[in-house]
Amino acid sequence: KAGVTQTPRYLIKTRGQQVTLSCSPISGHRSVSWYQQTPGQGLQFLFEYFSETQRNKGNFPGRFSGRQFSNSRSEMNVSTLELGDSALYLCASSKADGIETQYFGPGTRLLVL
Amino acid sequence: AQSVTQLDSQVPVFEEAPVELRCNYSSSVSVYLFWYVQYPNQGLQLLLKYLSGSTLVESINGFEAEFNKSQTSFHLRKPSVHISDTAEYFCAVSEQGSNYQLIWGAGTKLIIKP
Repeated sequence: KAGVTQTPRYLIKTRGQQVTLSCSPISGHRSVSWYQQTPGQGLQFLFEYFSETQRNKGNFPGRFSGRQFSNSRSEMNVSTLELGDSALYLCASSKADGIETQYFGPGTRLLVL
Repeated sequence: AQSVTQLDSQVPVFEEAPVELRCNYSSSVSVYLFWYVQYPNQGLQLLLKYLSGSTLVESINGFEAEFNKSQTSFHLRKPSVHISDTAEYFCAVSEQGSNYQLIWGAGTKLIIKP
Protein backbone atom coordinates (compact mmCIF):
# COMPACT_ATOMS: atom_id res chain seq x y z
CA LYS A 1 0.00 0.00 0.00
CA ALA A 2 1.46 3.36 -0.97
CA GLY A 3 2.12 5.80 1.85
CA VAL A 4 1.14 9.41 2.16
CA THR A 5 2.64 11.47 -0.64
CA GLN A 6 3.23 15.18 -0.66
CA THR A 7 4.13 17.40 -3.58
CA PRO A 8 6.26 19.27 -4.13
CA ARG A 9 8.97 18.19 -1.71
CA TYR A 10 10.82 21.50 -1.84
CA LEU A 11 9.64 24.96 -2.75
CA ILE A 12 11.18 28.43 -2.80
CA LYS A 13 8.91 31.45 -2.94
CA THR A 14 9.23 35.16 -2.32
CA ARG A 15 7.30 37.30 0.12
CA GLY A 16 3.83 38.21 -1.06
CA GLN A 17 3.43 35.21 -3.33
CA GLN A 18 0.99 32.41 -2.71
CA VAL A 19 1.62 28.68 -2.64
CA THR A 20 -0.42 25.49 -2.92
CA LEU A 21 0.76 22.23 -1.42
CA SER A 22 -0.75 18.87 -2.22
CA CYS A 23 -1.26 15.75 -0.16
CA SER A 24 -2.45 12.33 -1.30
CA PRO A 25 -3.51 10.16 1.63
CA ILE A 26 -3.20 6.42 1.94
CA SER A 27 -5.91 4.68 -0.06
CA GLY A 28 -9.06 4.34 2.03
CA HIS A 29 -8.12 7.08 4.48
CA ARG A 30 -10.72 9.82 4.77
CA SER A 31 -9.09 12.17 7.25
CA VAL A 32 -6.24 14.48 6.32
CA SER A 33 -4.48 16.77 8.77
CA TRP A 34 -1.91 19.48 8.07
CA TYR A 35 0.89 20.61 10.34
CA GLN A 36 3.57 23.27 10.27
CA GLN A 37 6.91 22.32 11.76
CA THR A 38 9.60 24.89 12.57
CA PRO A 39 12.67 24.72 14.85
CA GLY A 40 11.31 27.47 17.07
CA GLN A 41 7.63 26.54 17.34
CA GLY A 42 7.80 22.79 16.91
CA LEU A 43 4.82 20.95 15.42
CA GLN A 44 1.72 23.09 15.09
CA PHE A 45 -1.66 21.88 13.92
CA LEU A 46 -3.16 23.79 11.00
CA PHE A 47 -6.42 22.00 10.19
CA GLU A 48 -8.02 18.65 9.57
CA TYR A 49 -10.40 17.59 6.84
CA PHE A 50 -12.72 14.62 7.00
CA SER A 51 -15.01 13.69 4.12
CA GLU A 52 -14.40 17.04 2.41
CA THR A 53 -15.35 19.06 5.52
CA GLN A 54 -13.01 20.93 7.81
CA ARG A 55 -13.45 19.20 11.16
CA ASN A 56 -10.75 20.84 13.29
CA LYS A 57 -8.80 24.05 12.97
CA GLY A 58 -5.69 25.35 14.68
CA ASN A 59 -4.76 28.94 15.50
CA PHE A 60 -3.41 30.15 12.20
CA PRO A 61 -4.41 33.29 10.31
CA GLY A 62 -6.87 33.18 7.44
CA ARG A 63 -3.98 33.27 4.94
CA PHE A 64 -3.76 29.54 5.56
CA SER A 65 -6.59 27.60 3.98
CA GLY A 66 -7.23 24.11 2.78
CA ARG A 67 -9.66 21.86 1.06
CA GLN A 68 -10.30 18.20 0.49
CA PHE A 69 -11.57 16.58 -2.65
CA SER A 70 -13.98 13.68 -3.04
CA ASN A 71 -11.06 11.27 -3.50
CA SER A 72 -9.69 12.46 -0.11
CA ARG A 73 -6.71 14.26 -1.66
CA SER A 74 -6.11 17.55 0.07
CA GLU A 75 -4.53 20.85 -0.79
CA MET A 76 -3.25 23.59 1.47
CA ASN A 77 -2.92 27.16 0.30
CA VAL A 78 -0.97 29.99 1.85
CA SER A 79 -1.59 33.44 0.43
CA THR A 80 0.58 36.54 0.82
CA LEU A 81 3.58 34.61 2.04
CA GLU A 82 5.68 35.98 4.88
CA LEU A 83 9.25 35.12 5.83
CA GLY A 84 7.93 33.39 8.95
CA ASP A 85 6.00 30.91 6.82
CA SER A 86 9.26 29.14 6.01
CA ALA A 87 8.78 25.69 7.47
CA LEU A 88 8.29 22.00 6.86
CA TYR A 89 4.62 21.36 6.13
CA LEU A 90 3.50 17.88 7.05
CA CYS A 91 0.37 16.11 5.97
CA ALA A 92 -1.04 13.12 7.84
CA SER A 93 -3.88 10.80 6.96
CA SER A 94 -5.96 8.43 9.07
CA LYS A 95 -8.51 5.80 8.29
CA ALA A 96 -11.90 6.79 9.58
CA ASP A 97 -14.02 8.70 11.98
CA GLY A 98 -12.41 7.73 15.25
CA ILE A 99 -9.17 7.77 17.14
CA GLU A 100 -6.89 6.33 14.54
CA THR A 101 -3.16 6.33 14.00
CA GLN A 102 -2.01 9.20 11.82
CA TYR A 103 0.32 8.34 8.96
CA PHE A 104 2.60 11.16 7.95
CA GLY A 105 4.03 12.11 4.60
CA PRO A 106 7.64 13.23 4.16
CA GLY A 107 6.64 16.88 4.12
CA THR A 108 7.06 19.87 1.86
CA ARG A 109 9.90 22.18 2.80
CA LEU A 110 8.93 25.76 1.99
CA LEU A 111 11.48 28.55 1.97
CA VAL A 112 10.20 32.11 1.71
CA LEU A 113 12.77 34.71 0.63
CA ALA B 1 -5.94 18.33 26.54
CA GLN B 2 -5.09 21.85 27.53
CA SER B 3 -1.39 21.26 26.95
CA VAL B 4 1.33 18.66 26.53
CA THR B 5 4.71 19.26 28.08
CA GLN B 6 7.91 17.54 27.11
CA LEU B 7 10.29 18.88 29.69
CA ASP B 8 13.52 18.09 27.88
CA SER B 9 14.26 19.55 24.46
CA GLN B 10 17.34 17.34 24.14
CA VAL B 11 18.46 14.19 25.91
CA PRO B 12 22.04 13.02 25.31
CA VAL B 13 22.77 9.45 26.33
CA PHE B 14 25.52 6.95 25.71
CA GLU B 15 24.86 3.97 23.47
CA GLU B 16 23.53 0.93 25.39
CA ALA B 17 22.48 3.13 28.33
CA PRO B 18 18.84 3.42 29.44
CA VAL B 19 16.78 6.48 28.60
CA GLU B 20 13.54 8.10 29.70
CA LEU B 21 11.78 10.82 27.73
CA ARG B 22 9.21 12.64 29.80
CA CYS B 23 5.72 13.68 28.77
CA ASN B 24 3.10 15.32 30.97
CA TYR B 25 -0.30 16.59 29.97
CA SER B 26 -3.10 18.59 31.50
CA SER B 27 -6.67 17.43 31.01
CA SER B 28 -9.81 16.96 33.07
CA VAL B 29 -11.25 14.20 30.88
CA SER B 30 -10.14 10.80 29.64
CA VAL B 31 -7.39 10.85 27.07
CA TYR B 32 -5.71 8.84 24.37
CA LEU B 33 -1.91 9.04 24.35
CA PHE B 34 0.67 8.67 21.61
CA TRP B 35 4.39 8.75 21.00
CA TYR B 36 5.59 9.52 17.49
CA VAL B 37 9.17 9.44 16.25
CA GLN B 38 10.77 11.54 13.51
CA TYR B 39 14.05 10.22 12.12
CA PRO B 40 16.34 12.75 10.41
CA ASN B 41 14.85 14.12 7.18
CA GLN B 42 11.72 12.01 7.46
CA GLY B 43 8.09 12.48 8.42
CA LEU B 44 6.69 11.33 11.75
CA GLN B 45 5.68 7.75 12.42
CA LEU B 46 3.77 6.19 15.29
CA LEU B 47 5.94 4.54 17.92
CA LEU B 48 3.26 3.41 20.38
CA LYS B 49 -0.13 4.41 21.73
CA TYR B 50 -2.42 4.01 24.70
CA LEU B 51 -6.14 3.91 24.02
CA SER B 52 -7.43 1.74 26.89
CA GLY B 53 -6.62 -1.38 28.87
CA SER B 54 -3.12 -2.08 30.16
CA THR B 55 -1.35 1.09 31.15
CA LEU B 56 1.99 -0.26 29.92
CA VAL B 57 2.36 -0.26 26.16
CA GLU B 58 5.31 -1.44 24.10
CA SER B 59 6.72 -0.84 20.64
CA ILE B 60 8.34 -3.41 18.39
CA ASN B 61 11.78 -1.83 18.74
CA GLY B 62 12.07 -2.04 22.51
CA PHE B 63 10.47 1.21 23.67
CA GLU B 64 7.73 1.21 26.29
CA ALA B 65 5.56 3.86 27.88
CA GLU B 66 3.36 3.79 30.94
CA PHE B 67 0.19 5.80 31.37
CA ASN B 68 0.03 7.20 34.87
CA LYS B 69 -3.36 8.84 35.37
CA SER B 70 -2.62 10.29 38.80
CA GLN B 71 0.59 11.89 37.56
CA THR B 72 -0.93 12.77 34.15
CA SER B 73 2.18 11.38 32.53
CA PHE B 74 3.12 9.10 29.67
CA HIS B 75 6.90 8.77 29.87
CA LEU B 76 8.79 6.84 27.19
CA ARG B 77 11.57 4.47 28.21
CA LYS B 78 14.09 2.14 26.65
CA PRO B 79 16.47 -0.01 28.71
CA SER B 80 19.31 0.12 26.17
CA VAL B 81 19.51 2.60 23.31
CA HIS B 82 21.17 2.11 19.95
CA ILE B 83 22.67 4.63 17.58
CA SER B 84 19.71 4.04 15.27
CA ASP B 85 17.38 5.49 17.94
CA THR B 86 18.73 8.95 17.17
CA ALA B 87 15.60 10.92 16.35
CA GLU B 88 13.13 13.45 17.67
CA TYR B 89 10.31 12.05 19.76
CA PHE B 90 6.91 13.70 20.06
CA CYS B 91 4.25 13.04 22.65
CA ALA B 92 0.64 13.71 21.62
CA VAL B 93 -2.68 13.59 23.47
CA SER B 94 -6.26 13.47 22.31
CA GLU B 95 -9.15 14.13 24.68
CA GLN B 96 -12.21 11.96 24.41
CA GLY B 97 -14.98 14.02 22.87
CA SER B 98 -12.58 16.46 21.20
CA ASN B 99 -13.21 15.28 17.65
CA TYR B 100 -9.97 13.33 18.01
CA GLN B 101 -7.79 16.39 17.61
CA LEU B 102 -4.23 15.75 18.72
CA ILE B 103 -2.38 18.17 20.99
CA TRP B 104 1.37 17.88 20.50
CA GLY B 105 4.36 18.33 22.74
CA ALA B 106 7.36 20.34 21.57
CA GLY B 107 9.46 17.25 20.96
CA THR B 108 12.60 15.79 22.54
CA LYS B 109 15.71 15.16 20.51
CA LEU B 110 17.40 11.93 21.56
CA ILE B 111 21.13 12.19 20.94
CA ILE B 112 23.06 8.94 21.17
CA LYS B 113 26.74 9.30 22.05
CA PRO B 114 29.03 6.47 20.90
